[in-house]
Amino acid sequence: DTAVSQTPKYLVTQMGNDKSIKCEQNLGHDTMYWYKQDSKKFLKIMFSYNNKELIINETVPNRFSPKSPDKAHLNLHINSLELGDSAVYFCASSQDHRVGNQPQHFGDGTRLSIL
Amino acid sequence: SQQGEEDPQALSIQEGENATMNCSYKTSINNLQWYRQNSGRGLVHLILIRSNEREKHSGRLRVTLDTSKKSSSLLITASRAADTASYFCATATIQGAQKLVFGQGTRLTINP
Repeated sequence: DTAVSQTPKYLVTQMGNDKSIKCEQNLGHDTMYWYKQDSKKFLKIMFSYNNKELIINETVPNRFSPKSPDKAHLNLHINSLELGDSAVYFCASSQDHRVGNQPQHFGDGTRLSIL
Repeated sequence: SQQGEEDPQALSIQEGENATMNCSYKTSINNLQWYRQNSGRGLVHLILIRSNEREKHSGRLRVTLDTSKKSSSLLITASRAADTASYFCATATIQGAQKLVFGQGTRLTINP
């Protein structure tokens, strides 16, 4: 069974459209994250949620809106997509929000391409 | 500026040789983690070393941490073709938000 799964794996869309990426973890973890990896492989945190509550919002444009319906799911909705949003988006989870003490488990990413 | 920076950016060696990658960081940390990313896949956690540890082993992996120099190294011994991947260090700072900060990675290629 896949521990952290995200869909879709690929997303190709036009500038200005709205799209969503879904993530689910079956590890029983309390904390989930969204990361953005650019073309130079630089990985940067966007959001983290602990037990459905937002705990980190890394000055991401408000066109990006995360939603956590329960602690096993964290979705990412993006409005008015721009060319600069093209990247690979990774979902991750950890046992709790104390990142200093434990590993994070990553999904395989959603490659978003804006035409 | 970025917390963790790996060196070299790319490394190409022959199968069977050892591979060493380095990571430098700027602020005091709780721990340092190393991750591997295969092409088209997510990051996989390899090893976590705490700030009060100097060395840690896991199979063919050996990680060292020098907090006085704010640096860490990852050694992969007896490399295999399957070790071809990008390797990232990630740090969790003592102060500030609870987040991991990743470097840009070392791209390791093992030639058969």
